Amino acid sequence: GEDVEQSLFLSVREGDSSVINCTYTDSSSTYLYWYKQEPGAGLQLLTYIFSNMDMKQDQRLTVLLNKKDKHLSLRIADTQTGDSAIYFCAETYKGGGNKLTFGTGTQLKVEL
Amino acid sequence: EAGVAQSPRYKIIEKRQSVAFWCNPISGHATLYWYQQILGQGPKLLIQFQNNGVVDDSQLPKDRFSAERLKGVDSTLKIQPAKLEDSAVYLCASSWRGSDTQYFGPGTRLTVL
Repeated sequence: GEDVEQSLFLSVREGDSSVINCTYTDSSSTYLYWYKQEPGAGLQLLTYIFSNMDMKQDQRLTVLLNKKDKHLSLRIADTQTGDSAIYFCAETYKGGGNKLTFGTGTQLKVEL
Repeated sequence: EAGVAQSPRYKIIEKRQSVAFWCNPISGHATLYWYQQILGQGPKLLIQFQNNGVVDDSQLPKDRFSAERLKGVDSTLKIQPAKLEDSAVYLCASSWRGSDTQYFGPGTRLTVL
């Protein structure tokens, strides 16, 4: 079955770039997503990429997709303290309807 | 545009009691999802509705969980009776018909004592 994995923690200094990584197993992924979850809040959709794309940029966010290695990354430029949160990658896949399969989440801590 | 609304935001009950959660999706969104997020994990789909019909309930523990979306808009998720392991955040999401992009509500945090 489908499986999505992420590292648990990442700590960066304010102003640096953050790179959050994700690997997935399903080769029939259609879309891949990044969601942000702040304490006590729901999931905020940050960005997504169609599976036939390699890269997508949206202001401070850059998504890179390596289909061969089934690797997805989210780069946050000029990381701010307000970026501290848990970041989830998720995928939808052919035959899965619109079901989202989530990773375990990466907690990003931004230090001054 | 209003987002996905959920209530209550927090609920504490004792095991074997019943509880119900309510969700109002974004206006016009035909597809509605309920997810369970256990502490330290990513959300897992419980049930998916298209209008008032069930599309996928394969991960719903049907001996104790039930959900309905009678008029194709609001939805309720019920647990009866609750177990300790049901302690989690229950997230509702919605999307346009045929779209993969889902928008989430703030969630209901359930604690079962």
